[in-house]
Amino acid sequence: KAGVTQTPRYLIKTRGQQVTLSCSPISGHRSVSWYQQTPGQGLQFLFEYFSETQRNKGNFPGRFSGRQFSNSRSEMNVSTLELGDSALYLCASSLAVTSEQYFGPGTRLTVT
Amino acid sequence: QQPVQSPQAVILREGEDAVINCSSSKALYSVHWYRQKHGEAPVFLMILLKGGEQKGHEKISASFNEKKQQSSLYLTASQLSYSGTYFCGTEMAAGSSNTGKLIFGQGTTLQVKP
Repeated sequence: KAGVTQTPRYLIKTRGQQVTLSCSPISGHRSVSWYQQTPGQGLQFLFEYFSETQRNKGNFPGRFSGRQFSNSRSEMNVSTLELGDSALYLCASSLAVTSEQYFGPGTRLTVT
Repeated sequence: QQPVQSPQAVILREGEDAVINCSSSKALYSVHWYRQKHGEAPVFLMILLKGGEQKGHEKISASFNEKKQQSSLYLTASQLSYSGTYFCGTEMAAGSSNTGKLIFGQGTTLQVKP
C-alpha cells in the first residue's frame, strides 16, 4: 500500500510569513503525529491527531497549529515564521499513536 | 522528560557489536526504536512494552528494564547497512502528563566501516 506522503518537500519562506504543510497518512491509519527535526534537538513532538481531534501537544508556541480532516489527511500551519523554525518537519501515521509509526519523507522548511 | 541516549556516536568495523542505551527519569510504558539513514525518514525497528520483554529480529535486538527505566538496543555482527542514526522513543506510564505521545531521544549516530 502507498506510504505516507508529505507536500511540499521543500519550502523557502521569509521571516514573518506563514506556511502550511500537508500530510496524507497510510490508508486506514487514523493517527497522525507531527515532529520537528533539527540537528541539535533531534525529533521534537509537535502534536498528534486522531479522528480529527488533537489528542496531544508538545511544547511549541501557539504559532504552530494543525488540523485533521475526515479522510485523516492532516495539515500543519506555522504563522509568523522565525529563523529558528527552519527544520525538517516529519509526519507519521499509525493505527494508534503508540503503535508502529510510519514516517513520511518530510518537508524541509528554510526560513530566511 | 526527553530520554537520554548513550553513546551519542559510535564507529564500528563490520562484524563488531554495539549497544545503544536509552534512559528515562520517568516511569515508562513503552519504548520504541527507529533508525534513520541520512536523507531518509526514520524507519521502525521494534516496540518494547512494560514487562521487561526482549525483542529482536535478525541481528538487532532490544531489552527493556522496567526497574531502571532503561532500554538497550543490541546490534550484533554489524553490517554496513546498519549505519544511520538510532532514536529511541518513549511513552510514559499512565498518570503522566506525557502519556499517549512519543518523546524521542536525541539520537545515536552509528557508522559501520568496512
